Amino acid sequence: DTGVSQNPRHKITKRGQNVTFRCDPISEHNRLYWYRQTLGQGPEFLTYFQNEAQLEKSRLLSDRFSAERPKGSFSTLEIQRTEQGDSAMYLCASSPGTSGASYEQYFGPGTRLTVT
Amino acid sequence: GQNIDQPTEMTATEGAIVQINCTYQTSGFNGLFWYQQHAGEAPTFLSYNVLDGLEEKGRFSSFLSRSKGYSYLLLKELQMKDSASYLCAVRVTSNTGKLIFGQGTTLQVKP
Repeated sequence: DTGVSQNPRHKITKRGQNVTFRCDPISEHNRLYWYRQTLGQGPEFLTYFQNEAQLEKSRLLSDRFSAERPKGSFSTLEIQRTEQGDSAMYLCASSPGTSGASYEQYFGPGTRLTVT
Repeated sequence: GQNIDQPTEMTATEGAIVQINCTYQTSGFNGLFWYQQHAGEAPTFLSYNVLDGLEEKGRFSSFLSRSKGYSYLLLKELQMKDSASYLCAVRVTSNTGKLIFGQGTTLQVKP
């Protein structure tokens, strides 16, 4: 399978704990995105990487959230001191890099986080 | 701010045609995407419009009017497997390519 993969698929954690999610994009894609989706809503943009550079962060991404993409390959999203409001599906997507054209984003299966 | 509106829910009959509307007011525009999302699964790409007009792809068509800030997704010959959420998303700028999504329209197809 050469699609976007995410691990773990499900994570249950207690409030106050730290969690880390991993995303492996399609290998030739240099753009990588993180989104958050709550029930009944569309995905909300969190952050964007062009290769290893994090070029945009949403205001939704508080200082408890940090994302990295070392070497421009896989990416990790860490949430420190989790809160119940962090419970959501965290989606990763990737796309080819150049501007213009359709270049749709390919989404991974997501990591469902439940904070108890 | 960015605003994308879609109906929350729609119901249609197997074999029929359904049109899902999307209106948008965004700070920029560099393309409109439609995605399908089955419950508990990842969104999958359906269509892309950047110029005014109709794009047809099999049973699915998508229309765009940039002057009206309006798009629709047309699904023909509905099948039970088309029961899903349909997400309208605008790419505001090509620099980052990030998508701004509407809340999604849950379509239920009945026999």
